[in-house]
Amino acid sequence: QQQVKQSPQSLIVQKGGISIINCAYENTAFDYFPWYQQFPGKGPALLIAIRPDVSEKKEGRFTISFNKSAKQFSLHIMDSQPGDSATYFCAAQSPGSARQLTFGSGTQLTVLP
Amino acid sequence: DGGITQSPKYLFRKEGQNVTLSCEQNLNHDAMYWYRQDPGQGLRLIYYSQIVNDFQKGDIAEGYSVSREKKESFPLTVTSAQKNPTAFYLCASSTSSYNEQFFGPGTRLTVL
Repeated sequence: QQQVKQSPQSLIVQKGGISIINCAYENTAFDYFPWYQQFPGKGPALLIAIRPDVSEKKEGRFTISFNKSAKQFSLHIMDSQPGDSATYFCAAQSPGSARQLTFGSGTQLTVLP
Repeated sequence: DGGITQSPKYLFRKEGQNVTLSCEQNLNHDAMYWYRQDPGQGLRLIYYSQIVNDFQKGDIAEGYSVSREKKESFPLTVTSAQKNPTAFYLCASSTSSYNEQFFGPGTRLTVL
């Protein structure tokens, strides 16, 4: 049962453009929503994260927008660069001591020079 | 990769053989996790451990086994019972104080 749905599966953006990736979740108990960036053959690395009591978080060119009532959150990459070309995963974390992450299926971003 | 090492980077196995993937961390993290990554499916949790000598099944534990005899080590055994073991395997760790999970560089397992 997929609890975090991510779209689009792939995205092609011109250099300098805005990349937008969307995620939707079902479990209202999730209390932490990270985005991970993964380059080919490497492990994912945390990019930015948000808690549900905040509607937006910005770190440099990366912004998370969070809509608690709609159970949706999105990643915006401003001024996209070829070096941003990677696979991006949204995730949602369960409360409690286990802190399990449920991942979306990933978005392969290509930024054209 | 954040103080987590996985070995080997590439692993080839014949059908019917068990193989063990290594994961070591020097971050003094209490919790460790194993994920499986397949194309187009994101990461799926196999097993996790919050403390030494204790571990729990994740979403896809069938055909896998783990041990946690030391805080810094969490090896994963892919048994012959795993029907489709070819995948990219990722180990991660975290502390109770932070939400972030730090990932290792992964092991790509191919069954021949």
